[in-house]
Amino acid sequence: LAKTTQPISMDSYEGQEVNITCSHNNIATNDYITWYQQFPSQGPRFIIQGYKTKVTNEVASLFIPADRKSSTLSLPRVSLSDTAVYYCLVGAPMTTDSWGKFQFGAGTQVVVTP
Amino acid sequence: DVKVTQSSRYLVKRTGEKVFLECVQDMDHENMFWYRQDPGLGLRLIYFSYDVKMKEKGDIPEGYSVSREKKERFSLILESASTNQTSMYLCASSPLPGRAPYEQYFGPGTRLTVT
Repeated sequence: LAKTTQPISMDSYEGQEVNITCSHNNIATNDYITWYQQFPSQGPRFIIQGYKTKVTNEVASLFIPADRKSSTLSLPRVSLSDTAVYYCLVGAPMTTDSWGKFQFGAGTQVVVTP
Repeated sequence: DVKVTQSSRYLVKRTGEKVFLECVQDMDHENMFWYRQDPGLGLRLIYFSYDVKMKEKGDIPEGYSVSREKKERFSLILESASTNQTSMYLCASSPLPGRAPYEQYFGPGTRLTVT
């Protein structure tokens, strides 16, 4: 089971890029890396997922180096509404025959100020 | 949009009571999950179910049981509530196989207080 480590908190100003790194040294070959965003009083929301290299969507980018022992979630030009807790999750896909163990990280509180 | 609903946003129960937390999803997802969330500990998986009447223990199943009689509904049961079960409980669902592994859809959560 891949244990993940991420910073407890990060502060940023509006308009800046925020990069959150998640360490997962014992990631397995078939593990994927997934990031979630959580606002107060809400359940987490899926942001992005990747296996290797770089993935980009309308919300964020995910950078995964060749050794896959870490990953970085990049939020471009953050606004006040990006203030949230961001969770890293590492795990193998579930199949009809088995399920892969997975574990959420402890989360990174990102605070964006004007 | 996928919708996951939980029966209560806030719940207060007494020690020793039997507590039922209900979760319903409307997207015909195979997988359903129950987590608890505590400050500094993130999300911890209690149980999950990959089919009707099927269940698997997560990381912290002690003190909890689950029931899945219908595909859309997954219940978490605290047989005898204790104060250390005061927490935020989150339900989630995901398709199997999904287009993206671990793209889970979460409900709003139930904040349970046991006194």
